[in-house]
Amino acid sequence: QVQLVESGGGLVKPGGSLRLSCAASGFTFTNHYMSWIRQSPGERPEWLCYISAYSNYIDYADSVKGRFSISRDNARTSIFLQMDNLRVDDTAVYYCVRGGSNWESWGPGTLVTVSS
Amino acid sequence: VLTQSPGTLSLSPGERASVSCRASQTIDNNYLAWYQQSPGQAPRLLIRNAFNRATGIPDRFSGSGSGTDFTLTISRLEPEDFATYYCQQYSSSPRTFGQGTKVEIK
Repeated sequence: QVQLVESGGGLVKPGGSLRLSCAASGFTFTNHYMSWIRQSPGERPEWLCYISAYSNYIDYADSVKGRFSISRDNARTSIFLQMDNLRVDDTAVYYCVRGGSNWESWGPGTLVTVSS
Repeated sequence: VLTQSPGTLSLSPGERASVSCRASQTIDNNYLAWYQQSPGQAPRLLIRNAFNRATGIPDRFSGSGSGTDFTLTISRLEPEDFATYYCQQYSSSPRTFGQGTKVEIK
């Protein structure tokens, strides 16, 4: 079955950086776009970015454009989210999800806390 | 912008629930999805393309609507259905979610 497992979350100071990883299994990785979505406590989910199967198409939400960068390694069936210049309002659970439009498969999420 | 109503729905098990999602612009191709989220869990896809149930979703969940007005209906609430529901559009970027509707036990 589809499995998505995020890692790399933690506590970071404002202005700092963090790199999230997501290991995917149980499906043909190169058949799918992949996305990152985050959710702050008590808030609606927020789509952040997606990447096409061979990295040809990438798109970002305005809130993270220029600060976050998505990438993937098809040989390792993994995607990554490089997060720079983190702000307090980036605090959230970050989910790795399969697809670029609607999302049936989600990881359990990894918590990112940005605080001084 | 997606606007859901009501914000909270207080109902009893066995009752019918209807959640509305209104878009500020026409959602092309009915590219609208519905999700259910219970506390501490990731969202779960219920409906895609406005009315197609996702894999394994019970038939008490149904979606309807087109253009700018969409509805999620739960025909008879089961105890596990008390949760928060979100609509989400994918006809344009950025993908966006509604603010959520909490279905609580009356």
